[in-house]
Amino acid sequence: GIQVEQSPPDLILQEGANSTLRCNFSDSVNNLQWFHQNPWGQLINLFYIPSGTKQNGRLSATTVATERYSLLYISSSQTTDSGVYFCAGAYNQGGKLIFGQGTELSVKP
Amino acid sequence: DTEVTQTPKHLVMGMTNKKSLKCEQHMGHRAMYWYKQKAKKPPELMFVYSYEKLSINESVPSRFSPECPNSSLLNLHLHALQPEDSALYLCASSQISRGTDTQYFGPGTRLTVL
Repeated sequence: GIQVEQSPPDLILQEGANSTLRCNFSDSVNNLQWFHQNPWGQLINLFYIPSGTKQNGRLSATTVATERYSLLYISSSQTTDSGVYFCAGAYNQGGKLIFGQGTELSVKP
Repeated sequence: DTEVTQTPKHLVMGMTNKKSLKCEQHMGHRAMYWYKQKAKKPPELMFVYSYEKLSINESVPSRFSPECPNSSLLNLHLHALQPEDSALYLCASSQISRGTDTQYFGPGTRLTVL
């Protein structure tokens, strides 16, 4: 099955800074999602992005499917951006999402 | 509306108890999932239901018993659990289980087994 690797594992930012999180996957995927898990455990959908670029406010994501990676950009970070960011991929195997180990982001005021 | 609800939010049970977790969605999705997440780890798939039929069981011990009474509801029945089963249990749903659809997650049930 596919493997999903995320980097960096941990990231500490000052409020207002920008950051880039990376997700590499070992095989072609037809589903790539980015999630933010808040301190209460809720997994919040950020992007469904098997290819291309999307933007939503201060967040944007780019997936280059041919090179098997995806990037999540966070601009002008806020303390509420703190939490764990997961990317997850799936190929046509009944919907099984494979998660990376996550990037734990801490934004300091 | 992209909401998946789960009850209860927290559950504490003994190893001899029987309890159930409940998940509900009203988005018309035909695929529903149970994931287990241990602290500081990513979620791991347990079960997938597609059109109310069990389509994937990731070799989960029989002390976990899933049930899909209808297309909106998903239950997870728990019996004779072990302390190592303590975790966050997440439910998700998607349009279908083809692998190409966005999965939406509920807030989870935090389970503690004493």
